[in-house]
Amino acid sequence: AQSVTQPDIHITVSEGASLELRCNYSYGATPYLFWYVQSPGQGLQLLLKYFSGDTLVQGIKGFEAEFKRSQSSFNLRKPSVHWSDAAEYFCAVGESASGYSTLTFGKGTMLLVSP
Amino acid sequence: GAVVSQHPSWVICKSGTSVKIECRSLDFQATTMFWYRQFPKQSLMLMATSNEGSKATYEQGVEKDKFLINHASLTLSTLTVTSAHPEDSSFYICSARVAGPNTGELFFGEGSRLTVL
Repeated sequence: AQSVTQPDIHITVSEGASLELRCNYSYGATPYLFWYVQSPGQGLQLLLKYFSGDTLVQGIKGFEAEFKRSQSSFNLRKPSVHWSDAAEYFCAVGESASGYSTLTFGKGTMLLVSP
Repeated sequence: GAVVSQHPSWVICKSGTSVKIECRSLDFQATTMFWYRQFPKQSLMLMATSNEGSKATYEQGVEKDKFLINHASLTLSTLTVTSAHPEDSSFYICSARVAGPNTGELFFGEGSRLTVL
């Protein structure tokens, strides 16, 4: 069965500093990987996704993520964090057999941005 | 991007009553919709997969008689929490997949917060 681990429950970053959110997955085949962001009381917004090809994926709002098969990781990065980035971030892996429609989510990482 | 809308956003009900939550794809047709439940400070747990015109597929541990799902059209799926109890209080989120060849992306609704008194 597939699983996703986000080892950091919450992270505090100063505004303007760089950010890296960790995500490790467990899946037997080629994974389909996603990062979503959720603001309080809101649904999820897709930041970026990886299906194949270039392992460095660019997303919206200046985010990027790098797929590293050898480390089973898909860490999310941003070079300079803005206060509006404070939210909860979820990493997810999709089942390739079902067309990556069924997602398994990590427990999320809450990002706090300090002035 | 495609828009998925849920209604209501917030609902408070008395224990024992039933509550219906709607999930609509506003600008695309969705053959498949998914219902998730999210507890405070927790991840999203898939409850069921809803396919237009057929019965929903429930995840293990989810009571299908408790959480009734209907996907009557390509743009609407409903989740009815029957005889709600306080332990059913949660944040329910739906997502939808575009009909046709798989696009590889799910679009999420804004969620519906249910509080059962």
